[in-house]
Amino acid sequence: DAKTTQPPSMDCAEGRAANLPCNHSTISGNEYVYWYRQIHSQGPQYIIHGLKNNETNEMASLIITEDRKSSTLILPHATLRDTAVYYCIVRVESYGQNFVFGPGTRLSVLP
Amino acid sequence: GAVVSQHPSWVICKSGTSVKIECRSLDFQATTMFWYRQFPKQSLMLMATSNEGSKATYEQGVEKDKFLINHASLTLSTLTVTSAHPEDSSFYICSARVERYTGELFFGEGSRLTVL
Repeated sequence: DAKTTQPPSMDCAEGRAANLPCNHSTISGNEYVYWYRQIHSQGPQYIIHGLKNNETNEMASLIITEDRKSSTLILPHATLRDTAVYYCIVRVESYGQNFVFGPGTRLSVLP
Repeated sequence: GAVVSQHPSWVICKSGTSVKIECRSLDFQATTMFWYRQFPKQSLMLMATSNEGSKATYEQGVEKDKFLINHASLTLSTLTVTSAHPEDSSFYICSARVERYTGELFFGEGSRLTVL
């Protein structure tokens, strides 16, 4: 699986959009981009994933660059409850394959 | 989304005792489950892949005789930490994949083990 690079930490004001970047310059054509988050002392929570096209769901939007070497997770209106560690993972779509977690980005939403 | 449940959510035990952690898929069947371990301020590290009806596959450096994994049914996998020691104190998290949901891996709430 391709390696990802994320900033170790970010701050965001409550109510503002949080834009979390992820670099995955060695991603291959059949690898998806996944985003999970982990709130303190809880298991990771799935947020969103995509292959090429931008994706949006009730939690967030995922913007993938045309060359697929980077992506951005957007939380449109961050709340204090969005404070968590956010993990960007790239992996081949395969039932038996696990997810490899990097250090992620610690997002702090400030009042 | 699919639900994965772990029990217990926290446990404290004496050094030398064994502790069992259960991971259940509540509304789906999972032929494969994954067990992760997370130390404070660190990321999740995969310990083993649990396969229903067969032996688990352990990651390099994980002692299979110390961390016993049993996946006897399509909805239950157990992790037993045998002869636990203080260095085994950690946050243990299981996860499972649902075929009908493309891609996502669903995680349990985690189990915090403290060995005194």
